Amino acid sequence: AQSVTQPDIHITVSEGASLELRCNYSYGATPYLFWYVQSPGQGLQLLLKYFSGDTLVQGIKGFEAEFKRSQSSFNLRKPSVHWSDAAEYFCAVTDSSYKLIFGSGTRLLVRP
Amino acid sequence: NAGVTQTPKFQVLKTGQSMTLQCAQDMNHEYMSWYRQDPGMGLRLIHYSVGAGITDQGEVPNGYNVSRSTTEDFPLRLLSAAPSQTSVYFCATQRGGENTIYFGEGSWLTVV
Repeated sequence: AQSVTQPDIHITVSEGASLELRCNYSYGATPYLFWYVQSPGQGLQLLLKYFSGDTLVQGIKGFEAEFKRSQSSFNLRKPSVHWSDAAEYFCAVTDSSYKLIFGSGTRLLVRP
Repeated sequence: NAGVTQTPKFQVLKTGQSMTLQCAQDMNHEYMSWYRQDPGMGLRLIHYSVGAGITDQGEVPNGYNVSRSTTEDFPLRLLSAAPSQTSVYFCATQRGGENTIYFGEGSWLTVV
C-alpha cells in the first residue's frame, strides 16, 4: 500500500538558516509527489510538485525539492528561512488517480 | 484556493445532530473529494467522486454520506454527529487527466 512518512514532527530553525524537511514514500510505480504548506487556521497551499523529468523541482516562496528514486525520498529544502515560513508542511503522493496519500506533517518553528 | 468554496467555515454541533458541509467549484473539474485532517495524522480521504452521479468511499468513510448530482457541488453529510468527527474538513477538486489537486480553505467542525 502507498504510504508517506515524514519522520520529523517538529523542526526548529533560526531565521536565515537553511532548511530541509524529509519525506519518504512507499509506492510501487513512479509516484506523483507534492509538498503543501498550511499556515495556522488556513487551508493547504501547493508549494511544488514532481511528475517526471528533472528530479530537482522549484516551487513557490523559494522552496525546492529533490526526487531521489533510489532513496524513495522527496525532501523539501530552502536555503534561507524567513519567519513567515513558520507553518506545517505536508508531503503527499498519488498515482495517476485523484486520491492523495498524505504524510503526518512537519511543523516548522522559526527562531528570530 | 480560488474556485473551491467550502461552507460553513466553522460549526459546532451537538452529538447526534446532523449537518451538511457544502463544497462548490467553478472550474468544471471532474474529480471532487473530501478529506479530514486530524492532529498527527495528516489528511485522510473520506469520499470521492469521479463525476456527476458517481461516488465512492475513501479511507475513512464511516459516518459520512455524499452525493454528486452536479459537476459543481459535492456536499458531505453527517447524519448523526459524534465527537470523533471533530476535525477540519477539506474539499478538493481535480481536472481529469491532470495531477494537481486544488483544496478549499477548510471547514472546522466541533462536535460536543
